[in-house]
Amino acid sequence: SQQGEEDPQALSIQEGENATMNCSYKTSINNLQWYRQNSGRGLVHLILIRSNEREKHSGRLRVTLDTSKKSSSLLITASRAADTASYFCATDSGGNTDKLIFGTGTRLQVFP
Amino acid sequence: DGGITQSPKYLFRKEGQNVTLSCEQNLNHDAMYWYRQDPGQGLRLIYYSQIVNDFQKGDIAEGYSVSREKKESFPLTVTSAQKNPTAFYLCASTSVGQPQHFGDGTRLSIL
Repeated sequence: SQQGEEDPQALSIQEGENATMNCSYKTSINNLQWYRQNSGRGLVHLILIRSNEREKHSGRLRVTLDTSKKSSSLLITASRAADTASYFCATDSGGNTDKLIFGTGTRLQVFP
Repeated sequence: DGGITQSPKYLFRKEGQNVTLSCEQNLNHDAMYWYRQDPGQGLRLIYYSQIVNDFQKGDIAEGYSVSREKKESFPLTVTSAQKNPTAFYLCASTSVGQPQHFGDGTRLSIL
């Protein structure tokens, strides 16, 4: 079962613009992570935000988490053509495992 | 360099054949995972293992089998019982509290 739904499914922007992707999930979580996937490759971890955090930054990335709404957003500022990829949110499934449940992903296309 | 190696990159399966996908990691991670990704979709968990000689079914384990005889290795067998095996298969590993590290995947197709 997939915990997360991402919105939009696809996003096309020009270089220099900001890109915002949203993720909604269903159950309580300990943390939420964002991953990036270039076409035909594995996933690369971008950022982790814990349930007691509301916002986190890493370079041009900003992640917010609203546990009351069970939602998160990923903002990429000043986008570059190299940011073109699919982006996935993933939540932990609780318990004592590091098992993750992935969202459906947002395909981002950045045009030069 | 530490990382996860999946092989082969491309694999073709004939009708009624079992095929095995390799996943090796030198990150000294305890836990390893196998995911299936269909076009335009997210990842679905097939099997996972938190420790050597132990593994659990994920959400879509039917038609697949795994073994975990060594900490570094977690091979996945796609059996003939899996009627729709065409997909992109991803292996990942992690230690407690750490993000998952992924291999570059194996693309499996039917001949």
